[in-house]
Amino acid sequence: QSALTQPRSVSGSPGQSVTISCTGTSSDVGGYNYVSWYQQHPGKAPKLMIYDVSKRPSGVPDRFSGSKSGNTASLTISGLQAEDEADYYCCSYAGSYTFRVFGGGTKLTVL
Amino acid sequence: EVQLVESGGGLVQPGGSLRLSCAASGFTFSSYWMHWVRQAPGKGLVWVSRINSDGSSTSYADSVKGRFTISRDNAKNTLYLQMNSLRAEDTAVYYCARDLSGYYYNWGQGTLVTVSS
Repeated sequence: QSALTQPRSVSGSPGQSVTISCTGTSSDVGGYNYVSWYQQHPGKAPKLMIYDVSKRPSGVPDRFSGSKSGNTASLTISGLQAEDEADYYCCSYAGSYTFRVFGGGTKLTVL
Repeated sequence: EVQLVESGGGLVQPGGSLRLSCAASGFTFSSYWMHWVRQAPGKGLVWVSRINSDGSSTSYADSVKGRFTISRDNAKNTLYLQMNSLRAEDTAVYYCARDLSGYYYNWGQGTLVTVSS
């Protein structure tokens, strides 16, 4: 049950765009369209930002978008704002045995 | 408003046991799969276990299989995690989460479990 691979950190200036990658295998990310992304501020519970690869829950700004190509999913945040600084985690369904797997997390710093 | 409230965390010695609870409200609890996800201090999220809506089917991460048991009481709108043979590496904040067909729309605030002598 290996974790999905995310960069440990990314950064950008206010107004810029950043993309966070999430690499798995054909048994998880590449095999299903059940990739979700979560934002977590320090000391808080995670918050759903993207589900089913590219869908946005109500209330999440359209600055957040998701995509997938092969075994790699991506979260793009455009028009960076200070409040976007947080940890971001991807998550994928991984079959009936492993079930769910998370990425190791990416710390986003808004410069 | 959907609420998930975990309880039962605390300090326990290695080899000990603990039962976590997650009280749900604001939705029809018996209609949803539920999960436990944990986060060790300073580390990332890790899936622990899931249970289907009527409690007849469960799954576990390899790291807890045989030691942890997930269950639910739909009459009490409560999810449980029985944790036995606890190890230092089980130290984490444990979150319960509602599964909406492949993703976690709602999370609890978490309860901290510390395994230490």
